Amino acid sequence: GAVVSQHPSRVICKSGTSVKIECRSLDFQATTMFWYRQFPKQSLMLMATSNEGSKATYEQGVEKDKFLINHASLTLSTLTVTSAHPEDSSFYICSARDPVSDSNQPQHFGDGTRLSIL
Amino acid sequence: EDQVTQSPEALRLQEGESSSLNCSYTVSGLRGLFWYRQDPGKGPEFLFTLYSAGEEKEKERLKATLTKKESFLHITAPKPEDSATYLCAVRNTYDYKLSFGAGTTVTVRA
Repeated sequence: GAVVSQHPSRVICKSGTSVKIECRSLDFQATTMFWYRQFPKQSLMLMATSNEGSKATYEQGVEKDKFLINHASLTLSTLTVTSAHPEDSSFYICSARDPVSDSNQPQHFGDGTRLSIL
Repeated sequence: EDQVTQSPEALRLQEGESSSLNCSYTVSGLRGLFWYRQDPGKGPEFLFTLYSAGEEKEKERLKATLTKKESFLHITAPKPEDSATYLCAVRNTYDYKLSFGAGTTVTVRA
């Protein structure tokens, strides 16, 4: 089945640091990838949609300059949290759309990245 | 704007005690309702896709049903390994985004 790998699984760093999270589709080409944020006991909130080779589309209220998204290839999207502060601490999850299996399973999810800013 | 509401927020069951989870939705043109399972510290794991009212899907002890306004996830004779948060999501006919509910956290005691 389609597999999405997200790395790293956990990051702990100091305030002011920029953190990059990678999301890879291992056995399919993902024309569209999604980035979510999840707070404890809350649902997944979509942050942005990225399409290979074009600029990401951000949801309302998400700062483009804070959360930089790059989708340079059909198998890799990255999320960079720039100058991270404690309020950016959260669980970030990526997903990828496989056009071939879309009718059955719309998105394949990574295992998330726990970001903790001290 | 698409909206998904799940109830109850939490459900504690004894092993073997069957129950149902509810997912109410409003969407501008439904192009699929999806159920996922999420374990702590992990990403969502796909369970079912439902497209039209009256449709049902089954997998082991889980059965998902769909009406025009809501979906139910029935858990029959649950086991402790069924403990997880179950998420419901919808997709409309305009784009590929998913709108998620807040989830129901199920705890099954042995």
